[in-house]
Amino acid sequence: TAGITQAPTSQILAAGRSMTLRCTQDMRHNAMYWYRQDLGLGLRLIHYSNTAGTTGKGEVPDGYSVSRANTDDFPLTLASAVPSQTSVYFCASSRDRGPGELFFGEGSRLTVL
Amino acid sequence: LAKTTQPISMDSYEGQEVNITCSHNNIATNDYITWYQQFPSQGPRFIIQGYKTKVTNEVASLFIPADRKSSTLSLPRVSLSDTAVYYCLVGDWGGGFKTIFGAGTRLFVKA
Repeated sequence: TAGITQAPTSQILAAGRSMTLRCTQDMRHNAMYWYRQDLGLGLRLIHYSNTAGTTGKGEVPDGYSVSRANTDDFPLTLASAVPSQTSVYFCASSRDRGPGELFFGEGSRLTVL
Repeated sequence: LAKTTQPISMDSYEGQEVNITCSHNNIATNDYITWYQQFPSQGPRFIIQGYKTKVTNEVASLFIPADRKSSTLSLPRVSLSDTAVYYCLVGDWGGGFKTIFGAGTRLFVKA
């Protein structure tokens, strides 16, 4: 079972360039999320989507945008990358927006130089 | 949003029971308490979730006192493979979904 698939696994990006991190889930979950993880800071929520067609801002949304055109895909875009966006990015999903288990992907390591 | 406080790190030996306590003084009525485990270079994995009293599954137990201002994750007879970071989350995941993971507790199990 694939669950959550993220791509790319890792990427080096020049500052000022744009980048889209892809996330696809095959569990038909309604809710999806993007987190970033920096050393010593745990995971911080960037954006979320409770259902296809809707998105919301999390704890650290600046510099990122998301879209949710369908249930399965939830791409994260950095329009103009900056070095402070160097991080490991995790996509997650849950069946709905209520309490329950979050399923995470394996992460995308992004380095902005 | 209820902020959580956990110990930064803990050491244990194989076969011991490990208890990790999380403080969440500002927990709201609708909030649930959830614990995740994360290994290096992997995404977090759900361990257990509860609202009050005690919850037990095949890998852990979660103890929540009546005031719900703290919770304790109990891992029975840990092994080397339980070395990981453990996160305590508090939230109701209602509309306007927001979560705070915090820095977690790094558990190191020694032989």
